[in-house]
Amino acid sequence: KAGVTQTPRYLIKTRGQQVTLSCSPISGHRSVSWYQQTPGQGLQFLFEYFSETQRNKGNFPGRFSGRQFSNSRSEMNVSTLELGDSALYLCASSSTGTSYAMQETQYFGPGTRLLVL
Amino acid sequence: SQQGEEDPQALSIQEGENATMNCSYKTSINNLQWYRQNSGRGLVHLILIRSNEREKHSGRLRVTLDTSKKSSSLLITASRAADTASYFCATGMDSNYQLIWGAGTKLIIKP
Repeated sequence: KAGVTQTPRYLIKTRGQQVTLSCSPISGHRSVSWYQQTPGQGLQFLFEYFSETQRNKGNFPGRFSGRQFSNSRSEMNVSTLELGDSALYLCASSSTGTSYAMQETQYFGPGTRLLVL
Repeated sequence: SQQGEEDPQALSIQEGENATMNCSYKTSINNLQWYRQNSGRGLVHLILIRSNEREKHSGRLRVTLDTSKKSSSLLITASRAADTASYFCATGMDSNYQLIWGAGTKLIIKP
């Protein structure tokens, strides 16, 4: 099976702009989670989608949003970009269907590196 | 605050030596996982160990879990240059649907 794919791999934006990142999970995986990774804060959970519904959400402002499509592909949107949003954004999928899917083995994509100038 | 804390933060050893890194956590867990990340890329799952398990092996990797001490260790035997990476532990708890991640151990294997 193909792994988790993320597009684009690199992105440069300026403050105030918005950005949309895309993630395609492993075929058959319905749980998709998003993480932000920075040197200072480490790996921070953004949200999880399952069957097109946001099932869990981390402590990020409303500028961060996402959605999931019927084919389980997911997008993440960040509006009104700030310098502090510069990070590696990782998407992960899981085959488990339970509410604790995120606690099972996560399969990560290569990430999208976002630089906000 | 982070649930899992890795120790040491950085480790540099010669190729062929064994590498041991530790993870401590604060509250009861359902499971603990170890992941590897190469130079700012995606994370790769290594091993998942459940709270009722004490030891698991996968190739050159051995993970132990001591729930009484709330700690886990990852041993990489006969290290190779390709093992150079950051290693993260992540814990799953009843009180939280998500995994809680540690800050990672940066491992450098010198040729």
